[in-house]
Amino acid sequence: DGGITQSPKYLFRKEGQNVTLSCEQNLNHDAMYWYRQDPGQGLRLIYYSQIVNDFQKGDIAEGYSVSREKKESFPLTVTSAQKNPTAFYLCASSIDRRGNTEAFFGQGTRLTVV
Amino acid sequence: DAKTTQPPSMDCAEGRAANLPCNHSTISGNEYVYWYRQIHSQGPQYIIHGLKNNETNEMASLIITEDRKSSTLILPHATLRDTAVYYCIVGGSNYKLTFGKGTLLTVNP
Repeated sequence: DGGITQSPKYLFRKEGQNVTLSCEQNLNHDAMYWYRQDPGQGLRLIYYSQIVNDFQKGDIAEGYSVSREKKESFPLTVTSAQKNPTAFYLCASSIDRRGNTEAFFGQGTRLTVV
Repeated sequence: DAKTTQPPSMDCAEGRAANLPCNHSTISGNEYVYWYRQIHSQGPQYIIHGLKNNETNEMASLIITEDRKSSTLILPHATLRDTAVYYCIVGGSNYKLTFGKGTLLTVNP
């Protein structure tokens, strides 16, 4: 089935460690996105990529890094520089550069840093 | 990207129509209006989008005012499974979809 897959669903890490969240899509979408969601809050954009080997910072990029070496994959690294990394992370993809299309979301990764 | 304003919460009786309002007075001419919903602890789900004309699909209807400064999402016959946070978003011209806090719709039996 086509879709967008995030793994793992739950992730625990010790403070000070970098951690990479996986996001894979087989929808042949050009654009991919990473959002962060805190309890009771909306989604905040971390990074987005319109095409392979290119990405832009969103509203809260500090402490995060991404790569887009393949169209299908857009991994997010939460670095030790991120002060409050515990959150629900959502990946999304969309096909159309003109913006008049829907975004498909994964089911999210809940990261807990202890 | 234009910002949106939505009520924080709304209630609706099961089987009745749910009308969710959204203000987007700073929307620009090439920006679309999108609606997504998020059921607790899941990824958001696309519902519908439009530019100028009213739109309808199997899930909902979208009514956009003539001046495009506001819109209403209509769920014609709300069910308990429609309880979720509903996000109204405008944008997309630069791929950047900005989500606010949305409206928590609670459908009551």
